[in-house]
Amino acid sequence: ETGVTQTPRHLVMGMTNKKSLKCEQHLGHNAMYWYKQSAKKPLELMFVYNFKEQTENNSVPSRFSPECPNSSHLFLHLHTLQPEDSALYLCASSQDFVGGGASFSDTQYFGPGTRLTVL
Amino acid sequence: GENVEQHPSTLSVQEGDSAVIKCTYSDSASNYFPWYKQELGKRPQLIIDIRSNVGEKKDQRIAVTLNKTAKHFSLHITETQPEDSAVYFCAASSRNQFYFGTGTSLTVIP
Repeated sequence: ETGVTQTPRHLVMGMTNKKSLKCEQHLGHNAMYWYKQSAKKPLELMFVYNFKEQTENNSVPSRFSPECPNSSHLFLHLHTLQPEDSALYLCASSQDFVGGGASFSDTQYFGPGTRLTVL
Repeated sequence: GENVEQHPSTLSVQEGDSAVIKCTYSDSASNYFPWYKQELGKRPQLIIDIRSNVGEKKDQRIAVTLNKTAKHFSLHITETQPEDSAVYFCAASSRNQFYFGTGTSLTVIP
């Protein structure tokens, strides 16, 4: 599947490093998401962008900084991370519909994820 | 906000038997309920979904039922096969947000 791509696929970084994760969607969607998936934990929503505007910041530490320059690209900037931040970071996109006083999302499509290890 | 609970956390069935995974949600505004299958080392993949205006949906061996009054929905897999072994996640979408269950690790024993 190439609808949602993520780079890099694997990343090892020290606690003092600065790195960025990239997500790109080729589906024409207007909403993009960052999730964190740790071992034996549910998918934890981190950030949501609808129509390029951040609509959700799920109490994420400031060492994670998202950026959405347009509706097709989403970045997650990382700095001074902790070992407990090691996880699989998944990007997703969907098409959101708003109208008539209601809103709903269509199917979310996930990227392959970036496996992050913080030493 | 929405709270999604999923049970059981692990499930083992014999090949050919049925498997049922149940989820409950708390927000009556949730209107879209997808189910994802995640194989080891791979991304979650949508396998079936249902909207709040429908009570049941079936796609070959997979079916989903929704009870809006009780706020629960279930995934049913019939005639299970070893390749069905994976982690399954339910989700509820409310106000353009997605809330996931904790996952069920399904093992189909040949």
